[in-house]
Amino acid sequence: NAGVTQTPKFRVLKTGQSMTLLCAQDMNHEYMYWYRQDPGMGLRLIHYSVGEGTTAKGEVPDGYNVSRLKKQNFLLGLESAAPSQTSVYFCASSYGTVLGQPQHFGDGTRLSIL
Amino acid sequence: QQQVKQSPQSLIVQKGGISIINCAYENTAFDYFPWYQQFPGKGPALLIAIRPDVSEKKEGRFTISFNKSAKQFSLHIMDSQPGDSATYFCAASPGGSNYKLTFGKGTLLTVNP
Repeated sequence: NAGVTQTPKFRVLKTGQSMTLLCAQDMNHEYMYWYRQDPGMGLRLIHYSVGEGTTAKGEVPDGYNVSRLKKQNFLLGLESAAPSQTSVYFCASSYGTVLGQPQHFGDGTRLSIL
Repeated sequence: QQQVKQSPQSLIVQKGGISIINCAYENTAFDYFPWYQQFPGKGPALLIAIRPDVSEKKEGRFTISFNKSAKQFSLHIMDSQPGDSATYFCAASPGGSNYKLTFGKGTLLTVNP
């Protein structure tokens, strides 16, 4: 079982460049999430989706856009990358509000903005 | 405003010892409290979780203690092993749901052999 797969695993960008991070899950989960992890800051929710075609803002949405055109995919876009967006990005998915069902995380995308 | 405060930031324990990580929350609407474990280069994975209707939950060597009146909960790792060395995150969410988790900042646990 692949679970949650993130592409790419590593990327270096220059300030102002754009890119899209791809998340794919094969567990038929309704809910998907994008987090960023920075040293000493824990995990902070960027955007999330409660189903195909829906998106919502999380705690730190500025500078990011997302799309959920297919249930199994959740895309995170950076339109004009800034050094402050250097981080490790994690995608997660879950069945939703079923108590006890965890969020399943991918192994992250390490993004450096120069 | 940090809604879930986690301490300590790092912890070093000898093999066989007890590791204790503490979290405190502010939002009284929180009623689901999971702990996630993260190994280097990997994503976090659910370790154990608790709801406030119980004061303690044990799974193997891992125990969550919960104090609703103090709005605090803690993770105890008994007989700590080098393989437990990882970063641990506490989290909380409202409404009995497992989405829109608010995470603590994490504790880096090192268990020395």
